[in-house]
Amino acid sequence: KAGVTQTPRYLIKTRGQQVTLSCSPISGHRSVSWYQQTPGQGLQFLFEYFSETQRNKGNFPGRFSGRQFSNSRSEMNVSTLELGDSALYLCASSLASGVQETQYFGPGTRLLVL
Amino acid sequence: LAKTTQPISMDSYEGQEVNITCSHNNIATNDYITWYQQFPSQGPRFIIQGYKTKVTNEVASLFIPADRKSSTLSLPRVSLSDTAVYYCLVGAKGQNFVFGPGTRLSVLP
Repeated sequence: KAGVTQTPRYLIKTRGQQVTLSCSPISGHRSVSWYQQTPGQGLQFLFEYFSETQRNKGNFPGRFSGRQFSNSRSEMNVSTLELGDSALYLCASSLASGVQETQYFGPGTRLLVL
Repeated sequence: LAKTTQPISMDSYEGQEVNITCSHNNIATNDYITWYQQFPSQGPRFIIQGYKTKVTNEVASLFIPADRKSSTLSLPRVSLSDTAVYYCLVGAKGQNFVFGPGTRLSVLP
């Protein structure tokens, strides 16, 4: 099976812009989670989608949003970018929702905000 | 979600067995214990998961005592390529993943 894919892999934006990141889960996986990883804060949970519904949400401002399509592909959007949004954004998919499910991570999208 | 505590870093030499212990004193009845490994600039990778006693797979073993308030990930005969950050997660169905700072393992030649 193909693994989790994320596009684009690298992105450079300027403050105030918005960005959309895409994630294609492993075939058959219905849960997609998004994480932000920075050197200072580590790996932080953003949100999880299961069957097109947001199941859980982390402690991030409303500028961070996401959605999931009927084919389980997911997108996350960050509006009004700030310098602190520079990070590695990781997407993970699993068959179902919850920590007992093995999550398979993609390679990530590295976002740099100037 | 149960809070977990792990050592921030550990050093080992090639060929040694490495044991990383995670404390989770307020683990709930339905919680599972899962370990992930992460290399720089890559997403975490599932290593092993358990509920109680001992679980073993081709890469690691997980030891969980009867009270389940801690767990130990055991990596047999580590190599340089095992240098990574190891995360312990505790939670149940429907809960989201909460990654702590993890344990940075450095394997020396």
